[in-house]
Amino acid sequence: DAGVIQSPRHEVTEMGQEVTLRCKPISGHDYLFWYRQTMMRGLELLIYFNNNVPIDDSGMPEDRFSAKMPNASFSTLKIQPSEPRDSAVYFCACRLVGNEQFFGPGTRLTVL
Amino acid sequence: AQSVTQLGSHVSVSEGALVLLRCNYSSSVPPYLFWYVQYPNQGLQLLLKYTSAATLVKGINGFEAEFKKSETSFHLTKPSAHMSDAAEYFCAVSRGGAAGNKLTFGGGTRVLVKP
Repeated sequence: DAGVIQSPRHEVTEMGQEVTLRCKPISGHDYLFWYRQTMMRGLELLIYFNNNVPIDDSGMPEDRFSAKMPNASFSTLKIQPSEPRDSAVYFCACRLVGNEQFFGPGTRLTVL
Repeated sequence: AQSVTQLGSHVSVSEGALVLLRCNYSSSVPPYLFWYVQYPNQGLQLLLKYTSAATLVKGINGFEAEFKKSETSFHLTKPSAHMSDAAEYFCAVSRGGAAGNKLTFGGGTRVLVKP
């Protein structure tokens, strides 16, 4: 198995632009998580899904952020419009019930 | 509410020396505890986990951790550091069952290994 796949690995954009981050979880893992990592705030859980349904989005910072999981093999995290303070590394992770979370390599987002 | 405190954001050890990374947690219910390692420009990789079985947990790469309920601690150790251990280490806590989906991470400890 290729593990969790995230794309792009690096994204540089200008303030106000829309950004879409993508994640392909490990096949069969029915929980999917989006995290954000910054120097100031560390690792924060933004949202997680179970069987493609959003369960807890209390970590989503504001309405500019949205996440979808249209099927078991794909999820997106969208920021519209983006702001410089959104610059961070965004991780996708997945989990099979009872086991630990498996993390992707992350997307490093820079908003200028 | 759960929280995790990692003492020391940076630790420097000599190659061959003991590695000790400290983690204290607070949890209102019996916790599940994890140590993850993050190498530069990579995602987090699980080192080991405690899920209420043996209090001494052995993980990958020679690491182990001991759960001490009385001290609310879950410190990570490795007897002899290797250059490849240079990375950032995160302690995390969750509740069991379905609630175990919400991991709370500590601030991380960056390990530097000196030759």
